[in-house]
Amino acid sequence: GAVVSQHPSRVICKSGTSVKIECRSLDFQATTMFWYRQFPKQSLMLMATSNEGSKATYEQGVEKDKFLINHASLTLSTLTVTSAHPEDSSFYICSAPGGGGRYNEQFFGPGTRLTVL
Amino acid sequence: GQNIDQPTEMTATEGAIVQINCTYQTSGFNGLFWYQQHAGEAPTFLSYNVLDGLEEKGRFSSFLSRSKGYSYLLLKELQMKDSASYLCAVRADSWGKLQFGAGTQVVVTP
Repeated sequence: GAVVSQHPSRVICKSGTSVKIECRSLDFQATTMFWYRQFPKQSLMLMATSNEGSKATYEQGVEKDKFLINHASLTLSTLTVTSAHPEDSSFYICSAPGGGGRYNEQFFGPGTRLTVL
Repeated sequence: GQNIDQPTEMTATEGAIVQINCTYQTSGFNGLFWYQQHAGEAPTFLSYNVLDGLEEKGRFSSFLSRSKGYSYLLLKELQMKDSASYLCAVRADSWGKLQFGAGTQVVVTP
């Protein structure tokens, strides 16, 4: 149980286009989800906290108008990278605290590799 | 500021034991996590400590001392598949968001 999926797993796009990444909790409800970014050989950096039914909370230095987050339901959060540029190329990972009393565990999606040409 | 420090890389031989240390200074503390991450994959959960002491789970054990801001992950009977990056992460508040250390790359040699 407590599986988180992400789609797509890999995307290549041209500079200036927008890319949407979906994060789903498959067998539990997640009122909160987290979006991380990881550059090669670096650790995960928290970008924002996605809250169902309210606005996302962004970490310092993360542009909310560039990284749009929508927590549409208790099982789905989306991250849209608007007007993507090569420097946005990274590994984007979402996570959700586990349901069913497993809040102390955070379950990560498999990640989305974004390459902007 | 917030700081989570762990060594960059450690090398050990198959069958040996390796201990990865993590020290932290955060504005709050609501638990410390260890994750394993293979290259190109998402992290997988290994352990969670919120109280002082040792938590053992098979070949992996994790220790926490809150007064010292210190934790370690102990990997016993190393196997080749244990070659990966090990991430120490602190949950500073009740909201669940984690702050990660830079990760320790463990290389297991035959």
